[in-house]
Amino acid sequence: GENVEQHPSTLSVQEGDSAVIKCTYSDSASNYFPWYKQELGKRPQLIIDIRSNVGEKKDQRIAVTLNKTAKHFSLHITETQPEDSAVYFCAATPSSGGSYIPTFGRGTSLIVHP
Amino acid sequence: ETGVTQTPRHLVMGMTNKKSLKCEQHLGHNAMYWYKQSAKKPLELMFVYSLEERVENNSVPSRFSPECPNSSHLFLHLHTLQPEDSALYLCASSQVTGLDYGYTFGSGTRLTVV
Repeated sequence: GENVEQHPSTLSVQEGDSAVIKCTYSDSASNYFPWYKQELGKRPQLIIDIRSNVGEKKDQRIAVTLNKTAKHFSLHITETQPEDSAVYFCAATPSSGGSYIPTFGRGTSLIVHP
Repeated sequence: ETGVTQTPRHLVMGMTNKKSLKCEQHLGHNAMYWYKQSAKKPLELMFVYSLEERVENNSVPSRFSPECPNSSHLFLHLHTLQPEDSALYLCASSQVTGLDYGYTFGSGTRLTVV
């Protein structure tokens, strides 16, 4: 089955700095890679996603890159703000056999210091 | 409101009690999921219902029993739980046909077993 590794487990930055969270996956059949943000005491929310036919996707201050050959993808947050503080989860989703169940990374706790 | 509603938000139950968690989605999605989220652990998939059929059990103890009467409603019946079952139980829904199959999560039920 799929195995997703996510690093780092904790990331502490100063407001205004950039933050990068990296994930690797093992199953070459995975073709959909969402990122979720979970603020303290709240539900995880999909913030950005990328498909295997795209190398990079941006949405304002967040971007995701995908390297299919190396089987890794990353979340980039620029100009971080205190409200970016949360746990971020990556996931890799296969599309084989009609099953679209993602495998989640263990999460990265991002702390943005004002 | 996210489109996925979970009740109750908080639940305290004794080990001999029987209770049920409820999830309802108004997004027209055709798959629903139960996840367990414990501190310091990754999201654990418990049950999947895709097109109203259970497609993955994931070796969950029989004290957890899911029910999906239709594509909009999902229940998790609980009985004779253990203290280690205390966790946040998240419901999610997605569309497993088409191209967009990211999750929408509910706000979760915080379960405490005493």
